[in-house]
Amino acid sequence: QSVLTQPPSASGTPGQRVTISCSGSSSNIGSNYVYWYQQLPGTAPKLLIYRNNQRPSGVPDRFSGSKSGTSASLAISGLRSEDEADYYCAAWDDSPSGVFGGGTKLTVL
Amino acid sequence: QVQLQESGPGLVKPSETLSLTCTVSGGSISSYYWSWIRQPPGKGLEWIGYIYYSGSTNYNPSLKSRVTISVDTSKNQFSLKLSSVTAADTAVYYCARLSGGIVVVTAGWFDPWGQGTLVTVSS
Repeated sequence: QSVLTQPPSASGTPGQRVTISCSGSSSNIGSNYVYWYQQLPGTAPKLLIYRNNQRPSGVPDRFSGSKSGTSASLAISGLRSEDEADYYCAAWDDSPSGVFGGGTKLTVL
Repeated sequence: QVQLQESGPGLVKPSETLSLTCTVSGGSISSYYWSWIRQPPGKGLEWIGYIYYSGSTNYNPSLKSRVTISVDTSKNQFSLKLSSVTAADTAVYYCARLSGGIVVVTAGWFDPWGQGTLVTVSS
C-alpha cells in the first residue's frame, strides 16, 4: 500500500492528451513539492517533473505538472508511442521521509 | 556528468545482511545527499533512506531498525546494509543523488539514478 495514490493504469491514442492523478495528504503533498518520474521498461526511473511543475532540460514541453491542495496531476499532450511507460509521483512528508505513489502504467493504443 | 553504479551480491540468504555499494563518478560525493530506493519485481518504488556526505542519515521508519547507510568520501562511495533479510526484501535496489535539496531536503529530487541491481533473497 503506497502512501500516495495513483490509478494503476491509463491509456490514450497517439496525439491525445492524458492526465495521471496523484493523491496524498496534508503531511506530504499538502505541504511539500511533488515530483514525477518516468520508468521505461527495464530501465531506472528518470526525473520528469520537479517542484510541482518544473521540467528538467531535455524533457519535452508536452509533459506538464500541477498541484492543488493535497493532489497533483501529470499531463501528457500530443501522446507518442515512446511515452508508454510507468509513471510515479513522489513527495516528501514532514519527517522527512520520501514517499511514492504506486505507479501508473500508461498504454498508448 | 555524474554517474552512479550499484555493486554487490545478487543473492543473499534469509536472515543474513544485504550489502550494496554505490560508486559515484564524474563528480564529487561532497555537498550532496545520497539515497537508496528499491523496487520489488513488478511493484512500485520504496524510499529506503538518505545520507549527507558528512555522514548524517535519515531512514524510512518502516525499515529503520534494519538499515544502515554509510559514506566513504575518499572512495566517492556510499553503502547500504539491510539486516535480517527475508524474501520480501527481494528487489531491484537503486542509488540516486538528491539534487536541489542541499538546504532543504524536502525541496530535493532524485536525479541521477544508478541502473539498479537485483538482489534476490533465497536459500
